[in-house]
Amino acid sequence: DVKVTQSSRYLVKRTGEKVFLECVQDMDHENMFWYRQDPGLGLRLIYFSYDVKMKEKGDIPEGYSVSREKKERFSLILESASTNQTSMYLCASSPYRGLSYNSPLHFGNGTRLTVT
Amino acid sequence: SQQGEEDPQALSIQEGENATMNCSYKTSINNLQWYRQNSGRGLVHLILIRSNEREKHSGRLRVTLDTSKKSSSLLITASRAADTASYFCATTNAGGTSYGKLTFGQGTILTVHP
Repeated sequence: DVKVTQSSRYLVKRTGEKVFLECVQDMDHENMFWYRQDPGLGLRLIYFSYDVKMKEKGDIPEGYSVSREKKERFSLILESASTNQTSMYLCASSPYRGLSYNSPLHFGNGTRLTVT
Repeated sequence: SQQGEEDPQALSIQEGENATMNCSYKTSINNLQWYRQNSGRGLVHLILIRSNEREKHSGRLRVTLDTSKKSSSLLITASRAADTASYFCATTNAGGTSYGKLTFGQGTILTVHP
């Protein structure tokens, strides 16, 4: 079974802090994604990566950056946390299966971040 | 921007009844997927239907896809209390370089009463 592990289930940070959310997958997947989930808004894509050191902006990248130095690890960075970044953050991975992109995403259990 | 829109937003039924959730989307898709999320957890993939398929079954799940109406439905038959969860549809856009990224709807909250 694919395992996607997010380093923290709950995190409380102060406004202005630099925050790192870590995600590791154990199935050698090429693609990795960061989503945030808010009530009434569903899941929104922040950033994704299709290879080591490669990254692409999603729908809501402002205030975030990412790092992918190794294939199995994808980090989300909040450069200066703000209260409107309080949310559930979900990491996911998927294998590359050609241009049809018919691969499901495998999700971690999420990190609930509170910024005070 | 939200691609998928689920309907209804919430559904409450008795055990043994069938549950039907609908999803509409706006652009041409490569495939449509359904996911389940138990409270406070990550999403779990249920079923994927390709744009050239019209119906797919998996156990008690039946998914239909109507690309002319840009809509899909998820039917859960003989529901159980353990089916209580949020259900999301998600789409992969056709064409371009999507790298398999999914656009999710807002979800349907299903409650199955014992």
